[in-house]
This record gives sequence, structure tokens and C-alpha cells, in this order.
Amino acid sequence: AQKVTQAQTEISVVEKEDVTLDCVYETRDTTYYLFWYKQPPSGELVFLIRRNSFDEQNEISGRYSWNFQKSTSSFNFTITASQVVDSAVYFCALSEGGQGAQKLVFGQGTRLTINP
Amino acid sequence: DVKVTQSSRYLVKRTGEKVFLECVQDMDHENMFWYRQDPGLGLRLIYFSYDVKMKEKGDIPEGYSVSREKKERFSLILESASTNQTSMYLCASGRLVATQYFGPGTRLTVL
Repeated sequence: AQKVTQAQTEISVVEKEDVTLDCVYETRDTTYYLFWYKQPPSGELVFLIRRNSFDEQNEISGRYSWNFQKSTSSFNFTITASQVVDSAVYFCALSEGGQGAQKLVFGQGTRLTINP
Repeated sequence: DVKVTQSSRYLVKRTGEKVFLECVQDMDHENMFWYRQDPGLGLRLIYFSYDVKMKEKGDIPEGYSVSREKKERFSLILESASTNQTSMYLCASGRLVATQYFGPGTRLTVL
């Protein structure tokens, strides 16, 4: 069965610090997709990134970067030089490949607080 | 831009009432999903649909039903609301094998 674990329930850092959010997943499939979503206080989940299981290249988008390692079944998310606007709950999610609608399995989320 | 809208941001209902939560997407997506979000439990899938008039149970379908009469609209129905259905409800849509895009959520309180 699929499972996503975000062991860090809450993280609090001071602005401009770097912070890494951990995500570990379990799946039996060889084809799968990994996602990160951000949920600011307004409540709407905002899509950040999607990776497929065949693409282990790390991704950088501005201050955000993602480290995908199949060997450790991890898909970690790093925010460099954090800002107060990064404060949110972040969810990692997994979707297995195959036919039909792709269900997402979410981790429990990490609440990130950036203090000024 | 993908847009997913939900009929209400906040809703207060009484135990036993029939409740309808509406979700509309404007991107011609095949798939639509309903989740509920509770503290400490993350997001859990209630129902999903991969086509008009098609529906599949998710992980926690008990006490809920759904309707998809048109491709752009997916409704979640609480036949007889109970206090344990107080939660945040999130709708999402997406294409096959693709990213899901979420609506703003409906915070439902059942008294």
C-alpha cells in the first residue's frame, strides 16, 4: 500500500534561515508521481511541483529546491533564505501510475512558521 | 490558469440536515475529487470521479454520496449531517495521470 510520511509536524525558524522539509514514501509500483503542495492560512492547496519516478534530477525554482532520491524513497523540499510569506502547511503526496484516475495519498503535513 | 471553485467558504448546518457541497472546474478536466481535511489526519479521499456519471469510493466514503451530471461539476452530499462530519472539505480536479488542482475549501460545521 502507498504511504507518505512527513515526520516533522511543526518547524519554526527565523527569517532568512534555510529549512528542509522531509518526505519519505512507500510504494510497490515502479511508476509513480510525487508532489508538494503549499497550504497558506487562506486554506487553498497550491501546487508546487510534480516529479515522476523516472526523473531523479533535482529541481530548483527560485528559493525552492527539491531533492528526489529513489534509493532512500525520499523527496525532500528545501527553502533557501526563508521569508515570512513561506509560512504555511506543506504537504507531500504520492500518486501511483497506471490507468484511470490517479488518487493522491498525502502525508500529514508540516506546519512551517517563519518568524521575522 | 486553472480555476476550481466551491460554493461556500463557510457553512453551518444542523444535525440531520441534508447538505450539498458544490465544486466547479473550468479546465475540462476528466477527474474530480473530494477530500476532507482534519487536524492530525491530513487529507483523506472521500470520493472521486473520472467521467460524467462515474464515481468511485475513496478511503472514507461512509456517510457521503456524490453526483456528477456534468463534466465541470462534482457535488458532495451529506445525506444526514452528523457532528463528526464537521471538517474542511476540499475539491480538486485534474487530467488523467496529472496534477490535481484544488479549490479554496469549504469549512463545514455541523451543530
